[in-house]
Amino acid sequence: AQSVTQPDIHITVSEGASLELRCNYSYGATPYLFWYVQSPGQGLQLLLKYFSGDTLVQGIKGFEAEFKRSQSSFNLRKPSVHWSDAAEYFCAVGGGNKLVFGAGTILRVKS
Amino acid sequence: SAVISQKPSRDICQRGTSLTIQCQVDSQVTMMFWYRQQPGQSLTLIATANQGSEATYESGFVIDKFPISRPNLTFSTLTVSNMSPEDSSIYLCSVTGGPTGDTQYFGPGTRLTVL
Repeated sequence: AQSVTQPDIHITVSEGASLELRCNYSYGATPYLFWYVQSPGQGLQLLLKYFSGDTLVQGIKGFEAEFKRSQSSFNLRKPSVHWSDAAEYFCAVGGGNKLVFGAGTILRVKS
Repeated sequence: SAVISQKPSRDICQRGTSLTIQCQVDSQVTMMFWYRQQPGQSLTLIATANQGSEATYESGFVIDKFPISRPNLTFSTLTVSNMSPEDSSIYLCSVTGGPTGDTQYFGPGTRLTVL
């Protein structure tokens, strides 16, 4: 069965510091992987996705993620965090028919 | 990506009543999905709604509690029936899009509180 683990429930980083959010997945075939962001009171916005090819994918708002098949991971990174990045981040696996989401990581940014 | 709107954006309802949530897309889409996000939780798929066929429900969700309509390729409704406080959640619709049709795009959600 498909599953997604986001081991960190909360992360706090200083503005301007680098960020890495972890995501591990379990999937029977080559996965489609996604990162979404949810700001307070908002819906989900797609940050980036991986289907195939280059394992380092670039997304919006300066985010990137790296697919590592050997580690079953798809970690999200950003070199310099801005206060506006404070939100909840969800990793998801699947595709057009069904998405399975991780529990989410709440990012707090301190000035 | 498609522009998705939902109505209402939020509502407060009494126990035992029903609420119908609307999802409107600005382009024709084959598949629409309804998710529930309980307080402090992740998203759980309720059902998949294809135009012209019955919705397909995930384990733990039943049509009597969450009836879904899909009258055309741009619109769907989800009804939360006979509500209880446990139904207090954010309900989101999504559609597939992108070059391969494998990316889901989400509406802004409907925040439901049941008293």
